[in-house]
Amino acid sequence: NAGVTQTPKFQVLKTGQSMTLQCAQDMNHNSMYWYRQDPGMGLRLIYYSASEGTTDKGEVPNGYNVSRLNKREFSLRLESAAPSQTSVYFCASSDMYGYTFGSGTRLTVV
Amino acid sequence: ILNVEQSPQSLHVQEGDSTNFTCSFPSSNFYALHWYRWETAKSPEALFVMTLNGDEKKKGRISATLNTKEGYSYLYIKGSQPEDSATYLCAFALQGAQKLVFGQGTRLTINP
Repeated sequence: NAGVTQTPKFQVLKTGQSMTLQCAQDMNHNSMYWYRQDPGMGLRLIYYSASEGTTDKGEVPNGYNVSRLNKREFSLRLESAAPSQTSVYFCASSDMYGYTFGSGTRLTVV
Repeated sequence: ILNVEQSPQSLHVQEGDSTNFTCSFPSSNFYALHWYRWETAKSPEALFVMTLNGDEKKKGRISATLNTKEGYSYLYIKGSQPEDSATYLCAFALQGAQKLVFGQGTRLTINP
């Protein structure tokens, strides 16, 4: 099925551990995004990539890095996880008709 | 910092009633206004993308209007059904910007 695929769906990390969230889209979209969703905060943009080879910071980039590996894939890396990064993470890609979101990754940092 | 505000934050409506809620956004350098429907434990789904002042969009019982001069959009649901229960997000795009700024959403609950 066409869409945005995110892995993993759930993850528990210990403080200081690192991990990479993977995202891939098969809709040939140029733009891709990583958001986090916290209670009462709505969706906040972490990083985005307007096209292959470019990445830019969003509203809350601290503690994260991203890689636009190719047109399809956009990964988010937590180098040293902190409890404040406990959240639900959504990847998205977009065209003129709007954003298509992945199913989310629920990350808990203990 | 751009601010997109949605009101009310939450809303309870009886099945069969019609309802509407508001999204307010900056009126300068407008490019597009998006509406998304977000069911619990799922990911947001696009409802409408509106770009022109006076735009009206409709999908089934759901419709939306846009006023870019005064910076607001309304989402209407006619004859609410239990399956309409969700959070409705609006998001604003500036001219030249690649990214959307999301409001915090209106959480709609339809009471049977």
